[in-house]
Amino acid sequence: DAGVIQSPRHEVTEMGQEVTLRCKPISGHNSLFWYRQTMMRGLELLIYFNNNVPIDDSGMPEDRFSAKMPNASFSTLKIQPSEPRDSAVYFCASSLGFEAFFGQGTRLTVV
Amino acid sequence: AQSVTQLDSQVPVFEEAPVELRCNYSSSVSVYLFWYVQYPNQGLQLLLKYLSGSTLVESINGFEAEFNKSQTSFHLRKPSVHISDTAEYFCAVSRAGGSYIPTFGRGTSLIVHP
Repeated sequence: DAGVIQSPRHEVTEMGQEVTLRCKPISGHNSLFWYRQTMMRGLELLIYFNNNVPIDDSGMPEDRFSAKMPNASFSTLKIQPSEPRDSAVYFCASSLGFEAFFGQGTRLTVV
Repeated sequence: AQSVTQLDSQVPVFEEAPVELRCNYSSSVSVYLFWYVQYPNQGLQLLLKYLSGSTLVESINGFEAEFNKSQTSFHLRKPSVHISDTAEYFCAVSRAGGSYIPTFGRGTSLIVHP
């Protein structure tokens, strides 16, 4: 398996624009996580899906953020409208047991 | 809810010296504990984990960690570090018996000097 695949790897966008981050989890994994990593706040859990259903979205910072998992092989994290403070590295991870497998992340810069 | 405190944001050490990266956790329920490593421009990778049984767990590359329930700690150690161990190390906790949802500490940057 190629591991967790995220796209794009880098995204630079202007404030106010919509941004969509994509994730393909490892086949067979039933849990998917979106994390945000910043110097100030470290690694924060944004949302957790189990069997494609959002279970815990308490980490989603604002209504500007939304996440979907339409099927077991695809998830998106959308920010609309984006703001400079959203600049961070966003990680997707998937798991089946007691190990999370992370993608390489999307580095988002909002100018 | 669970939380993790990594007491050192940065640990510089010379090659072949021993190192300890500290991790303390807080939880009202039983937990599972993990160490993950992140190399530059990469995602996190699992280094080792404690689920049950022996409180001393080891990784394949010489790291070990010991679960100490009374001190609520899970410190990571290596007796002799290499340049290639330079990375960011994250301690994580997840509620035992429930869904695996890791909560991560802020991370410790291990910098190995020649």
